[in-house]
Amino acid sequence: GAVVSQHPSWVICKSGTSVKIECRSLDFQATTMFWYRQFPKQSLMLMATSNEGSKATYEQGVEKDKFLINHASLTLSTLTVTSAHPEDSSFYICSARDPRGLGTQYFGPGTRLTVL
Amino acid sequence: EDQVTQSPEALRLQEGESSSLNCSYTVSGLRGLFWYRQDPGKGPEFLFTLYSAGEEKEKERLKATLTKKESFLHITAPKPEDSATYLCAVQAVGSGGSNYKLTFGKGTLLTVNP
Repeated sequence: GAVVSQHPSWVICKSGTSVKIECRSLDFQATTMFWYRQFPKQSLMLMATSNEGSKATYEQGVEKDKFLINHASLTLSTLTVTSAHPEDSSFYICSARDPRGLGTQYFGPGTRLTVL
Repeated sequence: EDQVTQSPEALRLQEGESSSLNCSYTVSGLRGLFWYRQDPGKGPEFLFTLYSAGEEKEKERLKATLTKKESFLHITAPKPEDSATYLCAVQAVGSGGSNYKLTFGKGTLLTVNP
C-alpha cells in the first residue's frame, strides 16, 4: 500500500506558541490531502480538505485562522496550529488520496500535540 | 447528511471464535465504502474498498461484504494480533473539492483473547 508520513510524531509546546505539522505522501503524488482530529476513544473528525495549489476547504466549526493549511506541492501538506491553547491538545492525523487506481485515502501515523 | 453507524461498539472474542462487525450507512449516493484498522496511538491502516452491492473482498482472516444499506466485516478464526479498532467510512458522490471526503463511523473495538 501507499505510504504517508507525518512529522513530528509528538510535540509539546507552551500556550500561545504555534506548531507546524507536516504530512508527506512518499510514493505517490496527492492532489488532495485531508486533516483530521481525534479525541480519546472517539472517531476521526475531518477538519479540512487540502487541494494542491488552492485554498483549503474547512469543515463547519473549524477556525480557519487558527488551523492554517498549506498544500504547496503534490507530496506535502502542512497544518499550523497558531497560538495554541490547552484545548487544542489532541491527536492530529492527515491522509492523502492516491489518484491511481481506486483513489483510496491513506493515513499518516498521526501527531500527538500537547499544549501546556 | 451522510451517516455511518457501526455495531457493536465493542466486541470480545476468544482466539479462533469467528464473528462479524456491522456498518450501516445512509448516503445520497455511494461512491465507495472503506474499512480501516486503527491501533492505539496510530493512524488508520487501509483494509478494503467496496464500491457496489454484492461486492466482496478478502485479506487473510478478514472478509468485507457490501449491500445497499450496510457492510459486514467478517473475521474468521481471529488471533490476538487482530485486536484493534475497526473503522468504517463512506465516500459520497458529490461536487466540488469535497467529493472525496470520508464520513466515519465511531468504530468497533475488537479484543481477541488468547
